[in-house]
Amino acid sequence: DVKVTQSSRYLVKRTGEKVFLECVQDMDHENMFWYRQDPGLGLRLIYFSYDVKMKEKGDIPEGYSVSREKKERFSLILESASTNQTSMYLCASSLGRTSTDTQYFGPGTRLTVL
Amino acid sequence: AQKVTQAQTEISVVEKEDVTLDCVYETRDTTYYLFWYKQPPSGELVFLIRRNSFDEQNEISGRYSWNFQKSTSSFNFTITASQVVDSAVYFCALSDLGQGGSEKLVFGKGTKLTVNP
Repeated sequence: DVKVTQSSRYLVKRTGEKVFLECVQDMDHENMFWYRQDPGLGLRLIYFSYDVKMKEKGDIPEGYSVSREKKERFSLILESASTNQTSMYLCASSLGRTSTDTQYFGPGTRLTVL
Repeated sequence: AQKVTQAQTEISVVEKEDVTLDCVYETRDTTYYLFWYKQPPSGELVFLIRRNSFDEQNEISGRYSWNFQKSTSSFNFTITASQVVDSAVYFCALSDLGQGGSEKLVFGKGTKLTVNP
């Protein structure tokens, strides 16, 4: 079974803090994704990566950055957290970029910024 | 541009009723993929089905069935004899190959299904 894990299920941070959300997959997948989910807005893509050290902006990259130093790990960084970044963050991975493979999701991190 | 519309925001049914969740899509691609995911209250998105645009056969898996109609750009999902455990938010998604072949998914806003005992 594909396993995608996220470092925390719940996280509370203060405005201005630097926040790291970690995602690890154990299936040697090429692609990894970060989404945020908000009521009424569905899932929106923040960043994705199709290879180590490669990244591409999604639909809402502002205020976020990412890091992929190893194939299995994809980190989402909030440089200076703000209250409008309070949300559910979902990480996903998929096999490769030669076809549209199924994305498998982690359990999510519910981040609250006070 | 790629777009997925799930017009039903919330649906409430009584156990054992059949329920259909609608999904309509727009795409510029000639080859594309459609997906359905389930998000139970625990929060994790669970993959249900992936369908290639060349395969218009309907699919059945237990109480779940999917009706793909290219002519109307729809990929509807039916749960037969619904159960309380089917209560969840269901998302329809469409592939977006983009430039350079990098793959993304475009999600609908989801339909919240509540099955009452």
